[in-house]
Amino acid sequence: DSGVTQTPKHLITATGQRVTLRCSPRSGDLSVYWYQQSLDQGLQFLIQYYNGEERAKGNILERFSAQQFPDLHSELNLSSLELGDSALYFCASSETGGGRQPQHFGDGTRLSIL
Amino acid sequence: GQQLNQSPQSMFIQEGEDVSMNCTSSSIFNTWLWYKQDPGEGPVLLIALYKAGELTSNGRLTAQFGITRKDSFLNISASIPSDVGIYFCAGGNNAGNMLTFGGGTRLMVKP
Repeated sequence: DSGVTQTPKHLITATGQRVTLRCSPRSGDLSVYWYQQSLDQGLQFLIQYYNGEERAKGNILERFSAQQFPDLHSELNLSSLELGDSALYFCASSETGGGRQPQHFGDGTRLSIL
Repeated sequence: GQQLNQSPQSMFIQEGEDVSMNCTSSSIFNTWLWYKQDPGEGPVLLIALYKAGELTSNGRLTAQFGITRKDSFLNISASIPSDVGIYFCAGGNNAGNMLTFGGGTRLMVKP
């Protein structure tokens, strides 16, 4: 158990809809990362937050957004969903987000778009 | 963008054999990490490397951070059935922001 909690484990919805994925980092970790894992693209970095502030952005679509709340949990919002958004979405956390701190991953949310 | 080439893509070995997999990059990374992912779970950290040339062991696992900072390898000695899974390398930058992942090595172990 990595200590990173993601909910829900599975989500099935339709095209055009909006969903919110939730992540609670490990106790004491201030930085949260979101990744997308798909069969054709592999594991891709989306966005990082540190202590409530956005710190780094990867190839995140404009339809996607995230935030980190004062209690340090984070939410990833996906809107106007398309079939290609079907993937596993992982959250990871680290102590301060510095380069010498490994990221620990949750078990992911599997998103299926019908 | 940065890309990591991980090889082999898959391996099917006999229990007890040693395994070697590696990652190469056209860009320099300042950290290298190795993760294992089992079905239905997230990647689990195996080994983290922070210095060029560093060789680190974790039980039967040994990993090295290449001296050029563009490659890393992972060795597993005396494989056992529970080693089955997908192994990913990941490169990180100084700021510790994004990890760039390799495409994974699927390991299958025959008892």
